[in-house]
Amino acid sequence: AQKITQTQPGMFVQEKEAVTLDCTYDTSDQSYGLFWYKQPSSGEMIFLIYQGSYDEQNATEGRYSLNFQKARKSANLVISASQLGDSAMYFCAMRGYSGGGADGLTFGKGTHLIIQP
Amino acid sequence: EAGVAQSPRYKIIEKRQSVAFWCNPISGHATLYWYQQILGQGPKLLIQFQNNGVVDDSQLPKDRFSAERLKGVDSTLKIQPAKLEDSAVYLCASSFQRLTDTQYFGPGTRLTVL
Repeated sequence: AQKITQTQPGMFVQEKEAVTLDCTYDTSDQSYGLFWYKQPSSGEMIFLIYQGSYDEQNATEGRYSLNFQKARKSANLVISASQLGDSAMYFCAMRGYSGGGADGLTFGKGTHLIIQP
Repeated sequence: EAGVAQSPRYKIIEKRQSVAFWCNPISGHATLYWYQQILGQGPKLLIQFQNNGVVDDSQLPKDRFSAERLKGVDSTLKIQPAKLEDSAVYLCASSFQRLTDTQYFGPGTRLTVL
């Protein structure tokens, strides 16, 4: 079974500061993928960044980077130079490979990020 | 490129009534997923299709929930009869192929059961 833990229910950050959202995971799969999604108040889930378990380098996408520490089973999201539009719920998710081609995502409970001007 | 489409966006029904949600995935995406997101939680997978076949429905409450993807494109998710605890956002997602590609989500359908 897979499990994602996000320990920060909410965070307040000043605009233009960097922010780190924590995510730890648990899985018995050797191969897996880790994702971060953003969910604004409008409700849609927006894909931000992906890290494969065998990727040697941390993933980056614009202002987003993923701090992947495999031994610690953590996959923290770092947002540099935060903007007011970054205010949203952020979800960490894992895709495992449990056989049969099933690859539904397991999500954490999310972190509510609020950027203050 | 058009994203994942879902309808309706909002639905209010009384308990014991039936309801159906529709999803049209991104063109060419063979894999389609339905997730349930209860308020304050992350989404939970209900069912995964590969073309028109079911890959995983282990978390689908089959006594009241059903889903189909007859022609391998559009999909419908039905609840009959609805319970109060079914109040949630139902998210549809699609990916080009499973195991390697990103899942892209639709805007969701917010269901309220009174």
